[in-house]
Formats: sequence, structure tokens, C-alpha cells
Amino acid sequence: DTGVSQDPRHKITKRGQNVTFRCDPISEHNRLYWYRQTLGQGPEFLTYFQNEAQLEKSRLLSDRFSAERPKGSFSTLEIQRTEQGDSAMYLCASIPPVAGVHEQFFGPGTRLTVL
Amino acid sequence: RKEVEQDPGPFNVPEGATVAFNCTYSNSASQSFFWYRQDCRKEPKLLMSVYSSGNEDGRFTAQLNRASQYISLLIRDSKLSDSATYLCVVSDGGATNKLIFGTGTLLAVQP
Repeated sequence: DTGVSQDPRHKITKRGQNVTFRCDPISEHNRLYWYRQTLGQGPEFLTYFQNEAQLEKSRLLSDRFSAERPKGSFSTLEIQRTEQGDSAMYLCASIPPVAGVHEQFFGPGTRLTVL
Repeated sequence: RKEVEQDPGPFNVPEGATVAFNCTYSNSASQSFFWYRQDCRKEPKLLMSVYSSGNEDGRFTAQLNRASQYISLLIRDSKLSDSATYLCVVSDGGATNKLIFGTGTLLAVQP
């Protein structure tokens, strides 16, 4: 499978626990985005990486959230001290390093449930 | 006001019907426009990009009116398999080209 992959697909955790999600973009895609989608809403932007550099973070990304892309390939999103309001689908998307290409291809998402 | 506004529906239509979805966006700096399709509990999948000249892909036709900041999607000869949520999406016009999504329009095609 050469698409964007995410792991885990589902995560159930108790309030206050830390969780970490992983995204593997399509090979050679240097631009990577994280979004969050809650029930009945469209996805909302969280953060953007170009190669290993995190170039933009949304105000939605509180200090409990941190994202990394250490080698410019896979990325991780960590949520510390989870709250029930963090329950959502976390989506990762990537774009190749081609000028003028803006279509984003999404992974299957990680569905987080905080009890 | 939301940056991208869509009628949430649901649109309940019989098989074979033609259905149209509309969307408005507020950011005049947006440069890229898309329709994504999302099935229940799945990720959004690109249906088509939208251009000012209009574009067609089989039964699907998309139109963009930059002056009115309005995007449309027309589905002809609806199939049961078209049942999904259709997300209107625009780029934010900034350096990162992050996407701004509408809340989606739910389409249910009935047999």
C-alpha cells in the first residue's frame, strides 16, 4: 500500500493519560499536515511540516499537544493529559514536492476516544 | 461566520436524480478549491479539484465563481454508491496552503 498510513487506527484511553499517534506519508511527500475532525464537523487544521520543519501550528494545538517529524519522513502527534474534549478523529495528509500541486491525500485516521 | 459554509442536508434523493450542492467561502485569498467525499467513519477522499473554467468528471461537474466566492457540485444520475458526505474545501491562501473544510453535506440516495 503506497498511501498515507496512520497508526493506531483506534485508541481508547482514560482521561489524563498521554497518547501518541504516528503518520507515515506517501514516499517522497515532503509536506505533511495534521487535522482533527469531531462529529458533525469538517476536519480542522492542527499543524504543518515541510520536511522536518514545523512551519505552522493552529491555535487549536494547545500546549498539551506536540508534533514532530524528526527525519522529514514519518510524523508523530502526542497529546499529554488527555481530556474528553480531545476525542476526535486525527487525520494526517501529505503533498509531494511539486510546484502547483495542492491536493492533499489523507490517511485513514486515528480515532481517539477519551473516557 | 464560518470560512466555508455548506448546507448540511441531508439531501434524500431517488436513484437517477440530479442533485446540486453549493458552498460559499469567505477568504478571497484562497487559490485552490476542492470537493472531497467522506464515507461514514472514513477519511476524506479527493473527488475533484475545482477550476474557474469548470470541470467535469463523468457524472460529476464542479464550478467555481471567484467573484461571488461560490463553489458548486452537480451529480447527475445518482447511484446508491454516491451516498456519502460531500465536503467543500478551500486552501487558506497562505504559504502553507492548509485546507479549510466546510461541515459537509450529507447525501442519501434512495433505491
